[in-house]
Amino acid sequence: DIEMTQSPSSLSASVGDRVTITCRASQGISNYLAWYQQKPGKVPKLLIYAASTLQSGVPSRFSGSGSGTDFTLSISSLQPEDVATYYCQKYNSAPWTFGQGTKVELK
Amino acid sequence: EVQLLESGGGLVQPGGSLRLSCAASGFTFSTYSMSWVRQAPGKGLEWVSTINGGSGSTNYADSVRGRFTISRDNSKNTLYLQMNSLRVEDTALYYCARGISSYEYWGQGTLVTVSS
Repeated sequence: DIEMTQSPSSLSASVGDRVTITCRASQGISNYLAWYQQKPGKVPKLLIYAASTLQSGVPSRFSGSGSGTDFTLSISSLQPEDVATYYCQKYNSAPWTFGQGTKVELK
Repeated sequence: EVQLLESGGGLVQPGGSLRLSCAASGFTFSTYSMSWVRQAPGKGLEWVSTINGGSGSTNYADSVRGRFTISRDNSKNTLYLQMNSLRVEDTALYYCARGISSYEYWGQGTLVTVSS
Protein backbone atom coordinates (compact mmCIF):
# COMPACT_ATOMS: atom_id res chain seq x y z
CA ASP A 1 0.00 0.00 0.00
CA ILE A 2 1.06 3.58 -0.63
CA GLU A 3 2.09 5.48 2.48
CA MET A 4 1.48 9.20 2.96
CA THR A 5 4.02 11.09 5.06
CA GLN A 6 3.47 14.66 6.16
CA SER A 7 6.09 17.04 7.44
CA PRO A 8 6.46 18.65 9.79
CA SER A 9 4.26 16.98 12.40
CA SER A 10 3.73 20.36 14.00
CA LEU A 11 4.76 23.94 13.50
CA SER A 12 4.46 27.26 15.23
CA ALA A 13 4.22 30.46 13.22
CA SER A 14 3.24 34.09 13.66
CA VAL A 15 0.22 35.83 12.20
CA GLY A 16 1.09 36.91 8.67
CA ASP A 17 3.75 34.25 8.15
CA ARG A 18 3.80 32.00 5.12
CA VAL A 19 3.31 28.38 6.14
CA THR A 20 4.14 25.34 4.04
CA ILE A 21 3.22 21.75 4.78
CA THR A 22 4.59 18.85 2.76
CA CYS A 23 2.97 15.52 1.94
CA ARG A 24 4.96 12.77 0.30
CA ALA A 25 3.53 9.60 -1.23
CA SER A 26 5.63 6.44 -1.27
CA GLN A 27 4.58 5.87 -4.90
CA GLY A 28 3.22 8.18 -7.57
CA ILE A 29 -0.43 9.15 -7.25
CA SER A 30 -0.65 11.68 -10.10
CA ASN A 31 -2.71 14.56 -8.71
CA TYR A 32 -5.20 12.45 -6.73
CA LEU A 33 -4.60 14.32 -3.49
CA ALA A 34 -6.81 16.27 -1.14
CA TRP A 35 -6.08 18.51 1.83
CA TYR A 36 -8.32 18.89 4.87
CA GLN A 37 -8.39 21.27 7.81
CA GLN A 38 -9.65 20.08 11.18
CA LYS A 39 -10.10 22.53 14.01
CA PRO A 40 -10.27 21.17 17.57
CA GLY A 41 -13.57 19.43 18.23
CA LYS A 42 -14.78 20.02 14.68
CA VAL A 43 -15.46 17.97 11.59
CA PRO A 44 -12.73 17.92 8.91
CA LYS A 45 -13.18 20.47 6.14
CA LEU A 46 -12.09 19.94 2.56
CA LEU A 47 -9.69 22.66 1.46
CA ILE A 48 -8.14 21.44 -1.77
CA TYR A 49 -8.71 18.55 -4.16
CA ALA A 50 -6.91 17.36 -7.26
CA ALA A 51 -3.74 18.61 -5.55
CA SER A 52 -4.30 22.26 -6.44
CA THR A 53 -8.02 23.01 -6.89
CA LEU A 54 -9.39 25.22 -4.15
CA GLN A 55 -12.72 24.04 -2.75
CA SER A 56 -15.49 26.60 -3.08
CA GLY A 57 -15.57 29.05 -0.19
CA VAL A 58 -12.02 28.40 0.97
CA PRO A 59 -9.94 31.58 1.37
CA SER A 60 -7.47 32.25 -1.41
CA ARG A 61 -4.56 32.37 1.04
CA PHE A 62 -4.66 28.56 0.87
CA SER A 63 -3.02 26.91 -2.10
CA GLY A 64 -1.85 23.46 -3.09
CA SER A 65 0.72 22.20 -5.53
CA GLY A 66 2.50 19.07 -6.62
CA SER A 67 2.05 15.92 -8.61
CA GLY A 68 3.37 12.40 -8.50
CA THR A 69 4.88 11.91 -5.05
CA ASP A 70 5.50 15.37 -3.61
CA PHE A 71 2.81 17.82 -2.63
CA THR A 72 2.57 21.02 -0.63
CA LEU A 73 -0.14 22.98 1.12
CA SER A 74 0.67 26.64 1.61
CA ILE A 75 -0.97 29.36 3.63
CA SER A 76 0.27 32.67 2.26
CA SER A 77 -0.47 34.74 5.36
CA LEU A 78 -1.36 32.79 8.50
CA GLN A 79 -4.47 33.98 10.32
CA PRO A 80 -5.59 33.12 13.87
CA GLU A 81 -8.51 31.11 12.49
CA ASP A 82 -6.09 28.86 10.61
CA VAL A 83 -4.97 27.19 13.84
CA ALA A 84 -5.85 23.58 13.13
CA THR A 85 -4.51 20.21 12.13
CA TYR A 86 -4.08 19.65 8.40
CA TYR A 87 -4.28 16.28 6.67
CA CYS A 88 -3.48 15.13 3.17
CA GLN A 89 -5.30 12.17 1.63
CA LYS A 90 -4.61 10.18 -1.48
CA TYR A 91 -7.51 8.93 -3.58
CA ASN A 92 -6.05 7.40 -6.71
CA SER A 93 -7.03 3.93 -5.50
CA ALA A 94 -7.89 2.04 -2.33
CA PRO A 95 -6.86 2.34 0.41
CA TRP A 96 -7.63 6.04 0.55
CA THR A 97 -4.90 6.78 3.08
CA PHE A 98 -4.56 9.96 5.10
CA GLY A 99 -1.29 11.50 6.19
CA GLN A 100 -0.62 11.58 9.92
CA GLY A 101 -1.48 15.28 10.18
CA THR A 102 0.34 18.56 10.76
CA LYS A 103 -0.67 20.69 13.72
CA VAL A 104 -0.39 24.42 13.10
CA GLU A 105 -0.17 26.71 16.12
CA LEU A 106 0.38 30.41 16.65
CA LYS A 107 3.69 31.61 17.97
CA GLU B 1 -28.70 21.17 1.92
CA VAL B 2 -26.62 18.03 2.23
CA GLN B 3 -26.94 16.41 5.64
CA LEU B 4 -25.35 13.28 7.03
CA LEU B 5 -26.43 12.06 10.45
CA GLU B 6 -24.66 9.14 12.09
CA SER B 7 -26.09 7.04 14.89
CA GLY B 8 -25.56 3.72 16.60
CA GLY B 9 -22.37 4.37 18.53
CA GLY B 10 -21.93 3.41 22.15
CA LEU B 11 -19.98 1.37 24.67
CA VAL B 12 -19.33 -2.26 23.79
CA GLN B 13 -17.10 -4.96 25.23
CA PRO B 14 -14.19 -6.38 23.26
CA GLY B 15 -15.45 -9.04 20.90
CA GLY B 16 -18.86 -7.42 20.68
CA SER B 17 -20.77 -5.96 17.74
CA LEU B 18 -22.36 -2.67 16.77
CA ARG B 19 -24.13 -1.38 13.70
CA LEU B 20 -23.65 2.24 12.75
CA SER B 21 -26.09 4.10 10.53
CA CYS B 22 -25.75 7.28 8.51
CA ALA B 23 -28.95 8.93 7.34
CA ALA B 24 -28.42 11.07 4.28
CA SER B 25 -30.55 13.88 2.89
CA GLY B 26 -30.32 16.79 0.48
CA PHE B 27 -28.90 14.84 -2.46
CA THR B 28 -29.61 11.80 -4.63
CA PHE B 29 -28.11 9.22 -2.30
CA SER B 30 -28.10 6.31 -4.73
CA THR B 31 -25.81 8.08 -7.18
CA TYR B 32 -22.97 8.72 -4.72
CA SER B 33 -20.33 6.51 -3.25
CA MET B 34 -20.20 6.74 0.53
CA SER B 35 -17.39 6.23 2.99
CA TRP B 36 -16.64 5.72 6.68
CA VAL B 37 -13.66 7.48 8.26
CA ARG B 38 -12.70 7.16 11.91
CA GLN B 39 -10.61 9.10 14.37
CA ALA B 40 -9.32 7.60 17.58
CA PRO B 41 -9.19 9.99 20.55
CA GLY B 42 -6.36 12.47 20.04
CA LYS B 43 -5.25 10.75 16.83
CA GLY B 44 -5.45 11.35 13.11
CA LEU B 45 -7.99 10.42 10.47
CA GLU B 46 -8.19 6.83 9.25
CA TRP B 47 -10.15 5.76 6.19
CA VAL B 48 -12.22 2.67 7.04
CA SER B 49 -14.42 1.66 4.11
CA THR B 50 -16.15 2.84 0.95
CA ILE B 51 -19.14 1.56 -0.98
CA ASN B 52 -19.80 2.47 -4.59
CA GLY B 53 -23.10 4.16 -5.38
CA GLY B 54 -23.85 2.26 -8.53
CA SER B 55 -22.31 -1.19 -8.37
CA GLY B 56 -22.28 -1.48 -4.60
CA SER B 57 -18.68 -2.62 -4.74
CA THR B 58 -16.82 -2.22 -1.48
CA ASN B 59 -13.33 -1.55 -0.16
CA TYR B 60 -11.92 -1.89 3.35
CA ALA B 61 -8.87 -0.86 5.29
CA ASP B 62 -6.68 -3.82 6.25
CA SER B 63 -7.33 -3.02 9.91
CA VAL B 64 -11.05 -3.83 9.60
CA ARG B 65 -11.31 -6.24 6.66
CA GLY B 66 -13.11 -9.40 7.64
CA ARG B 67 -14.65 -7.80 10.73
CA PHE B 68 -16.55 -4.79 9.35
CA THR B 69 -19.15 -4.75 6.59
CA ILE B 70 -20.30 -1.63 4.80
CA SER B 71 -23.71 -1.60 3.17
CA ARG B 72 -26.40 0.76 2.03
CA ASP B 73 -30.16 0.93 1.58
CA ASN B 74 -30.85 3.37 -1.22
CA SER B 75 -34.61 3.19 -0.55
CA LYS B 76 -33.95 4.57 2.93
CA ASN B 77 -31.06 6.88 1.99
CA THR B 78 -29.02 5.19 4.66
CA LEU B 79 -25.45 3.93 4.92
CA TYR B 80 -24.46 1.25 7.41
CA LEU B 81 -21.34 -0.13 9.02
CA GLN B 82 -21.70 -3.50 10.72
CA MET B 83 -18.82 -3.91 13.13
CA ASN B 84 -18.09 -7.36 14.57
CA SER B 85 -15.28 -8.75 16.72
CA LEU B 86 -14.61 -5.26 18.03
CA ARG B 87 -11.24 -4.50 19.57
CA VAL B 88 -10.08 -1.84 21.99
CA GLU B 89 -8.21 -0.22 19.12
CA ASP B 90 -11.50 0.30 17.24
CA THR B 91 -12.42 2.97 19.79
CA ALA B 92 -12.97 6.12 17.75
CA LEU B 93 -15.33 8.74 16.45
CA TYR B 94 -16.80 7.30 13.27
CA TYR B 95 -17.72 9.73 10.50
CA CYS B 96 -19.65 9.04 7.35
CA ALA B 97 -18.63 11.08 4.33
CA ARG B 98 -20.00 11.50 0.87
CA GLY B 99 -17.81 10.41 -1.98
CA ILE B 100 -15.12 8.00 -3.04
CA SER B 101 -12.35 10.53 -3.44
CA SER B 102 -12.17 13.89 -1.68
CA TYR B 103 -14.88 14.31 0.96
CA GLU B 104 -16.78 17.57 0.73
CA TYR B 105 -19.52 16.51 3.14
CA TRP B 106 -19.09 14.84 6.53
CA GLY B 107 -21.44 13.93 9.32
CA GLN B 108 -20.82 14.96 12.92
CA GLY B 109 -19.70 11.49 13.88
CA THR B 110 -20.79 8.82 16.32
CA LEU B 111 -18.53 7.64 19.13
CA VAL B 112 -17.69 3.97 19.51
CA THR B 113 -15.97 2.91 22.72
CA VAL B 114 -14.68 -0.63 23.06
CA SER B 115 -13.81 -1.38 26.64
CA SER B 116 -14.34 -4.02 29.31
